[in-house]
Amino acid sequence: QVQLVQSGSEVKRPGASVKISCKASGYSFTTYKIHWVRQAPGQGLEWMGIIDPGSGDTFFALKLRGRVTMTRDTSTSTVYMELRSLRSEDTAVYYCTRGGLGIEWYFDLWGRGTLVTVSS
Amino acid sequence: SYELTQPPSVSVSPGQTGSITCSGDKLGDKYANWYQQKPGQSPVLVIYEDKKRPSGIPERFSAFNSGNTATLTISGTQAMDEADYYCQAWDSNTVIFGGGTKLTVL
Repeated sequence: QVQLVQSGSEVKRPGASVKISCKASGYSFTTYKIHWVRQAPGQGLEWMGIIDPGSGDTFFALKLRGRVTMTRDTSTSTVYMELRSLRSEDTAVYYCTRGGLGIEWYFDLWGRGTLVTVSS
Repeated sequence: SYELTQPPSVSVSPGQTGSITCSGDKLGDKYANWYQQKPGQSPVLVIYEDKKRPSGIPERFSAFNSGNTATLTISGTQAMDEADYYCQAWDSNTVIFGGGTKLTVL
């Protein structure tokens, strides 16, 4: 079925990096852009950035530029998000989500989320 | 930077109509989208492009966007509708979410 399957939870030390995977299935991987959205404990949703699986082009939220990378592997229909120089405030559930095909961005399919805990 | 403002909480009685607002400068000139998130679950798109319902979303969910305010309305609210609701828009190649509204059905 149509789904996004994310990798499992991670615990990292401050200053480390984390790389999360998101495997798409059930639809044409290169047709839909993938966004990453995170949610700190008890907080709201924060958009992180977008990757076009077809071209590999990316665009990131201003506050994360320089610390985040998004890549894709078209052979496995998988998108990766790497966040570097982790801080305690990066502790959150990280969601990959599929962008709808409208003119403006919205998100019509979500992964189940990956909890990243940053703690010394 | 662009901001979307939602009330922190809204209460509605079962079977009644509940509404959640989302305010932003000239929001009516953009598309507003709405997500439902239940505890421990991923968000679910319930309204996109101001008023469209994705497949599988009940007809009791409707929305309107004009001026500076978008409104999500749930008619005949059910206990299963209790959740956090987030509005979302797109501005200058950036996605903005509202702070979220906790809908309580009591």
